[in-house]
Amino acid sequence: KAGVTQTPRYLIKTRGQQVTLSCSPISGHRSVSWYQQTPGQGLQFLFEYFSETQRNKGNFPGRFSGRQFSNSRSEMNVSTLELGDSALYLCASSIRQGASDTQYFGPGTRLTVL
Amino acid sequence: AQTVTQSQPEMSVQEAETVTLSCTYDTSENNYYLFWYKQPPSRQMILVIRQEAYKQQNATENRFSVNFQKAAKSFSLKISDSQLGDTAMYFCAFMKHGTPLVFGKGTRLSVIA
Repeated sequence: KAGVTQTPRYLIKTRGQQVTLSCSPISGHRSVSWYQQTPGQGLQFLFEYFSETQRNKGNFPGRFSGRQFSNSRSEMNVSTLELGDSALYLCASSIRQGASDTQYFGPGTRLTVL
Repeated sequence: AQTVTQSQPEMSVQEAETVTLSCTYDTSENNYYLFWYKQPPSRQMILVIRQEAYKQQNATENRFSVNFQKAAKSFSLKISDSQLGDTAMYFCAFMKHGTPLVFGKGTRLSVIA
């Protein structure tokens, strides 16, 4: 079974621009979570989607948004990019929402904001 | 809020030796799940092992095993017969029902030939 895929793998943007990242979960997985990883803050939760509904949201400004499609694929969008948004963005999928499900991660999208 | 602490920012071990990575967490919950993830230089986060808090038996996956001490809120990872491919960042993570993973800051492990 194919793993979690994320596109693009690398992205360079300038301040003020917006960006959209994509995540395709493992086949049959319906929950998708997004995390931001930076050297200073470590791994921080952004949001989780299950059956096209946002179920959990982390402590990030409204510039960060996401959505999930009927095929469970998910996108996250960051508007008005800031230098501090430079990070590795990781997507993880699991079968259902719930503590019993292990999350499997994709390779990440490395975003650089200049 | 739950917190996860990994007190060893960096560790090194000789190839074929055994190493233990420490992790402590803080929670008032009784039912939860604990994980160790490995992130090699390729940046792909890989699940190493998971432990259900209601299970007293320590989880084991080949050369990887945990020492889960629920009362002490401790969850250490032991890697036996270390291999060069074990070189990576290791993250301890906590999860309770209906909430996202909470990660520690990570331990950078170097396996030396």
